[in-house]
Amino acid sequence: NAGVMQNPRHLVRRRGQEARLRCSPMKGHSHVYWYRQLPEEGLKFMVYLQKENIIDESGMPKERFSAEFPKEGPSILRIQQVVRGDSAAYFCASSPWTDQDIQYFGAGTRLSVL
Amino acid sequence: GESVGLHLPTLSVQEGDNSIINCAYSNSASDYFIWYKQESGKGPQFIIDIRSNMDKRQGQRVTVLLNKTVKHLSLQIAATQPGDSAVYFCADSKGFQKLVFGTGTRLLVSP
Repeated sequence: NAGVMQNPRHLVRRRGQEARLRCSPMKGHSHVYWYRQLPEEGLKFMVYLQKENIIDESGMPKERFSAEFPKEGPSILRIQQVVRGDSAAYFCASSPWTDQDIQYFGAGTRLSVL
Repeated sequence: GESVGLHLPTLSVQEGDNSIINCAYSNSASDYFIWYKQESGKGPQFIIDIRSNMDKRQGQRVTVLLNKTVKHLSLQIAATQPGDSAVYFCADSKGFQKLVFGTGTRLLVSP
């Protein structure tokens, strides 16, 4: 059973470009969470989604950031007009319907903004 | 408010020793706690969890203790091995939602 899959693993963007980060949850998992991690820091919650619904986006910046989890396909975290401060590791986690508290993480996408 | 903090940023132990990593939380409403291990360049790996109606839970070589009176959580690793070297995070979860992570403790195991 494949784990949480994130791609790309590394992403380099210039200031002003768009970044799209993808996350495929574990098979059978219907809940997806996105977190951001700066170097030498803990993970910070960004958004919690179920299929076609945003449940909690209290950790998302008000501008430039958006997330979706469509009926078909992976969850997407989209960052428009990236700035250097967006450079970080972005982790996706998923949890099954029956045990929503245990979140299983992917390997992350490391975004570098030049 | 919500916060989960770690007492020490780095813990150095000898191989074979027992390790204890501590964590404090401030939110009395917290009802679920999780420990994750993160190796360099990887995502957090689930280790063990505990609910607020428990004060101890054991896994393979690991034990989590919860003291709700002083809002303290600890992770004990028995017979620490070089492969245990990583950053350990405690996280708090309320219900089915977001995890609030501490800043982490780096465990260094020397042979």
